[in-house]
Amino acid sequence: QITLRESGPTLLKPTQTLTLTCTFSGFSLSTSGVGVGWIRQPPGKALEWLAVIYWNDDKRYSPSLQSRLTVTKDTSKNQVVLTMTNIDPVDTGTYYCAHILYGDFSPRWGQGILVSVSS
Amino acid sequence: DIQMTQSPSSLSASVGDRVTITCRASQGIGKDLGWYQQKPGKAPKRLIYAASTLQNGVPSRFSGSGYGTEFTLTISSLQPEDFATYYCLQVYDYPWTFGQGTKVEIK
Repeated sequence: QITLRESGPTLLKPTQTLTLTCTFSGFSLSTSGVGVGWIRQPPGKALEWLAVIYWNDDKRYSPSLQSRLTVTKDTSKNQVVLTMTNIDPVDTGTYYCAHILYGDFSPRWGQGILVSVSS
Repeated sequence: DIQMTQSPSSLSASVGDRVTITCRASQGIGKDLGWYQQKPGKAPKRLIYAASTLQNGVPSRFSGSGYGTEFTLTISSLQPEDFATYYCLQVYDYPWTFGQGTKVEIK
């Protein structure tokens, strides 16, 4: 059974760096075709795709956020880490990680973590 | 970036109604489109992938169609549990992009 869970700080101040960890089970990020993606959703707004990392360490980022995002994986720990620098109140929202298989999200998503940015 | 234009942004419907939501891509994406349902406070749930393939466990009243730039999600007979927000997502090219969502409300 595949599960994913996001963890990290829930309240940050502007200009700080956000580090979120996606801890997963039921699959391996060393298996061909497998990836983990990040999505966020500001309160009351639409979903926004942020980034993805694949089993072969291929990484893709949202162009509008690329300069601020880094995604890494630790295959031995079954974790993927998303880092966002210079955080701003507009980055407030729920952040999800999700399992990817052969270039598409699978039905397996984390429950999400609400991150608030305020001075 | 491929823009996904979803319509309508909201609709009111009654239980038993047939509901259709449309997503238009700014360029051809083949069948690389999924439909998601999201209820308040919950993670999105995938209903349809590859434009028309029903996710295991999803009721057959949901169906998807389309190819290239025009896609539709149809709920053949709206049920009380279907009141939610629906999103399309293209996975044809990076960055993956979601539609702006359609909120289905009770009439």
